Amino acid sequence: EADIYQTPRYLVIGTGKKITLECSQTMGHDKMYWYQQDPGMELHLIHYSYGVNSTEKGDLSSESTVSRIRTEHFPLTLESARPSHTSQYLCASSEYFSPRGGNTGELFFGEGSRLTVL
Amino acid sequence: QKEVEQNSGPLSVPEGAIASLNCTYSDRGSQSFFWYRQYSGKSPELIMFIYSNGDKEDGRFTAQLNKASQYVSLLIRDSQPSDSATYLCAGGGRAGGTSYGKLTFGQGTILTVHP
Repeated sequence: EADIYQTPRYLVIGTGKKITLECSQTMGHDKMYWYQQDPGMELHLIHYSYGVNSTEKGDLSSESTVSRIRTEHFPLTLESARPSHTSQYLCASSEYFSPRGGNTGELFFGEGSRLTVL
Repeated sequence: QKEVEQNSGPLSVPEGAIASLNCTYSDRGSQSFFWYRQYSGKSPELIMFIYSNGDKEDGRFTAQLNKASQYVSLLIRDSQPSDSATYLCAGGGRAGGTSYGKLTFGQGTILTVHP
């Protein structure tokens, strides 16, 4: 069982509010990711990090921001939520791919945070 | 062209049949490939991982990788209604560059196994 946790699981909030989605993992993984997924649609990478103080934008442009001050923690923030931000946000972590070292590089996903902005 | 493309679905098979899911990728630098299963409203969970050419079997699941053709597939034998889900193909583990280790997911194939 993966040790990666997201809070809140569900959030309903009004337009213009600032929100932070929390993600923590206890596996010591250097790499962490945020994906956005609408119901029945594909996963879109919006942010990723290779380690502390490293963050990169993903393939899908997002108005959210992330930080990585500690290895285990990768929060996502929306300064001013809008209805277009309504979606499911999935956090994941992984080790580096190293077949000789037995590391597959697989992603371990949290249970997701479902955000609804009214 | 999408980096990872899956065969268009949805796919419907009868219980007990073999379900065949296919995926092609464009980045020849990709080294590792994954099949994830995602139930509606849930997070993806890993089904298979493969990085060597050929077949890899795990229970009812067989993953096949052909790097020359840039093709990955997943076969599910003796399909069960509980296999009904969206299956995601992902590639990554690219050596070098900032994309090293970043997985790219396909759009997913919806599989329905009917009794």
